[in-house]
Amino acid sequence: EVQLVESGGGLIQPGGSLRLSCAASGFTVSSNYMSWVRQAPGKGLEWVSVIYSGGSTYYADSVKGRFTISRDNSKNTLYLQMNSLRAEDTAVYYCARSWVERYDFDYWGQGTLVTVSS
Amino acid sequence: DIQMTQSPSSLSASVGDRVTITCRASQGIRNDLGWYQQKPGKAPKRLIYAASSLQSGVPSRFSGSGSGTEFTLTISSLQPEDFATYYCLQHNSYPPGFGQGTKVEIK
Repeated sequence: EVQLVESGGGLIQPGGSLRLSCAASGFTVSSNYMSWVRQAPGKGLEWVSVIYSGGSTYYADSVKGRFTISRDNSKNTLYLQMNSLRAEDTAVYYCARSWVERYDFDYWGQGTLVTVSS
Repeated sequence: DIQMTQSPSSLSASVGDRVTITCRASQGIRNDLGWYQQKPGKAPKRLIYAASSLQSGVPSRFSGSGSGTEFTLTISSLQPEDFATYYCLQHNSYPPGFGQGTKVEIK
């Protein structure tokens, strides 16, 4: 059974850093496209970043240069390193898997809340 | 970037009603579109992929249609557990983009 479990969210001051984790089971992270998608409180869904099976990474313009996506194949875990956090980064962050098409998300984690506030 | 315009933004309906939600893409995306259901405090759940293919385990009252720039999600007979927010997602071109969402509420 495919499962994705995010962790690492919390309250952080503007300008701070946070690392989110997404532990996967039931499939191999490195063999799939893995993305982060976020949802600000009361708002819609926004794609944030992707890592391809080959290791290429891509980012939404809103986080480029501040966020870094990575994975640890030995732990079958996806990460999102978030630096220079802003109030507008406040959101629930979901990890999501795509198997065939790069951004056709078939499984999602339960999400972890990041709150950027002083 | 391709813009996805979803309508309506909200609707009120009764159990048993037929409900239709539309997504329009700013340019053609073939059938590279999915539909997702999200309940409060939960992750999105894929209902439809490739515009019209039903995700395994999803009730057959959900159906999708369309190709190119106009797409439709239909719930043939609304059930109590279907009250939720629905999103479309285009994955034809980078960056992927979601519609604004349609909140389906109880009348």
